[in-house]
Amino acid sequence: AQTVTQSQPEMSVQEAETVTLSCTYDTSESDYYLFWYKQPPSRQMILVIRQEAYKQQNATENRFSVNFQKAAKSFSLKISDSQLGDAAMYFCAYLSGSRLTFGEGTQLTVNP
Amino acid sequence: GAVVSQHPSWVICKSGTSVKIECRSLDFQATTMFWYRQFPKQSLMLMATSNEGSKATYEQGVEKDKFLINHASLTLSTLTVTSAHPEDSSFYICSAQQPGQGFNSPLHFGNGTRLTVT
Repeated sequence: AQTVTQSQPEMSVQEAETVTLSCTYDTSESDYYLFWYKQPPSRQMILVIRQEAYKQQNATENRFSVNFQKAAKSFSLKISDSQLGDAAMYFCAYLSGSRLTFGEGTQLTVNP
Repeated sequence: GAVVSQHPSWVICKSGTSVKIECRSLDFQATTMFWYRQFPKQSLMLMATSNEGSKATYEQGVEKDKFLINHASLTLSTLTVTSAHPEDSSFYICSAQQPGQGFNSPLHFGNGTRLTVT
């Protein structure tokens, strides 16, 4: 079974600074997708960024980028120029077929 | 973009009663929908996978007689919590898989339902 691990229960960053959230996963499959979801206090799950395992190039979405290391099974999220609205719980997730497995989450605080 | 509507957003019910939660895909047909449960400050745990026109597949440890799932159409799945007890109080979230985009089609989430059993 696939497992996803987020080793940082909480992280904080100063506004306008950069922060990196860690995620590792375990799988024996070669075809899968990885995601970062943001869950603000409203509890709505918001897709931040996705990465296809077969792509070597790291995905980027504006201020959000990932460092995907397939051999190491690592998938970290970098948030640049952090904004107050980035404060939320962030979940790393692994998708293979229809099954989406989430990590434990990292609570990000952005300090003004 | 694809929208998934979940209703109600919050519900309070008395112990022993049943409550139904609806999950609708508004602008696409979802052959597969998923139900998750989330306790405060914890991750989302998959409860069951709902396939249109067939029985749901439940995760280990989830009581299928307590959490009844029906997926009668391509746009609607329902989760009924039967004989609810206070320990069933939680946040329930559905997601729908948008087909036609490959093996790993994207998932779209509803806004969730906060259930409180008194």
